[in-house]
Order: sequence, then C-alpha cells, then structure tokens
Amino acid sequence: KQEVTQIPAALSVPEGENLVLNCSFTDSAIYNLQWFRQDPGKGLTSLLLIQSSQREQTSGRLNASLDKSSGRSTLYIAASQPGDSATYLCAVLQGAQKLVFGQGTRLTINP
Amino acid sequence: DADVTQTPRNRITKTGKRIMLECSQTKGHDRMYWYRQDPGLGLRLIYYSFDVKDINKGEISDGYSVSRQAQAKFSLSLESAIPNQTALYFCATSEIEKLFFGSGTQLSVL
Repeated sequence: KQEVTQIPAALSVPEGENLVLNCSFTDSAIYNLQWFRQDPGKGLTSLLLIQSSQREQTSGRLNASLDKSSGRSTLYIAASQPGDSATYLCAVLQGAQKLVFGQGTRLTINP
Repeated sequence: DADVTQTPRNRITKTGKRIMLECSQTKGHDRMYWYRQDPGLGLRLIYYSFDVKDINKGEISDGYSVSRQAQAKFSLSLESAIPNQTALYFCATSEIEKLFFGSGTQLSVL
C-alpha cells in the first residue's frame, strides 16, 4: 500500500528565505507526483505536476524535483513571501486514478 | 464564479440523519471525485466517476453513496450520518491528470 509522508508537519521561516519542503513515498510505481497548496477555507490549488519520467518542474519561484528510485520529491520555494503561507500537500498518482496524498506541511512565512 | 462549486459550505447534522453534499462544475470535465480530509490523515478518496454512467468506489466508500446526475453534477450522500464522518469534504474534477478542487464542505455530525 502506497504511503506518502511529508516532513516537517509545520515550518516557520522569516520572509526572504529560500526553503525546501519534503515528500517521500513508499512505492515507486507512480504515474506522476503533484504539489498542491491549500489555504484556510479554500480548496486545493495545483502548483506543479511532475511526470514519472521527469526530474523536475518549475513555475516562477517554485521548483519541484522528483527522484522516483529513492521515493522522494522536494518543493523548493525561493525568496519566500508572507503570501506563501499555506499548507502544502504532495500527492502521487497510481493506477485507476488513485491519488494518494501526504498529510501536508503547514508553512508560515514571518514578515 | 468558481469553476467547481460545493454546497453547502458548512453543515451541522445529527447522528442518523441523511445528508447530501452537492458539487457542480463549469469546466466541462468528465472526471469527478469526492475526497474527505481529516486532520493528520491527508485527503482520502471516497468515490470517483469518469463519466455519467461510470461510478467507482474509492478507498473509504463505506457509509457513503454518490449520484452523477449530469456531466456537471456529482453529489455525495450519507445515508445515516455518524460522528466519525465529521470531516472536510472536497469535490474535484479533472480532464486527465491535473485536479481542480472546490472550496470544500465542513460537515459536523453530532
């Protein structure tokens, strides 16, 4: 059974810092890995999607990497801003459209 | 207007009551999903549908049922609500791989 783990559960950093969020998964047989952002009272917003054949994807200040063989992904946020404060979730897609989510990392950027 | 709309946003109900959560989408996607989110457990898939005639159970379908009334509408029912069904429920749609989520329904069963 696929298990997705995100460490740490919560992270607080000063504005302007670069930071890395971690995601690990137990079964490397995945189609893709996605990173989502969740704001309080709102749904999830897809940030980046990495296909299993890819190593990384970039969008603005965000860069996500995937090492399928080791079961790891990282989300790198450059020059963090208070507006980046949210919960970040990773999810892996397996067969039959089964998306398995991690528990999320709650990120706080302090001005 | 939101592409994926869930109603109600919040609901408090009592044990044993029947309740329906509704989801509608304007994205024109065939695929729709219902997830629940519990603190510390992430999101878990309840049911999913790839078109109007296709309904599939997810990993935690017991105690739930769904109806796909149209391409744009997918509702989730709790036939007899119990307290451990208290959670945040999300509807989502997808074209192929990228999911689009509604804002969620916070359900409390007393």
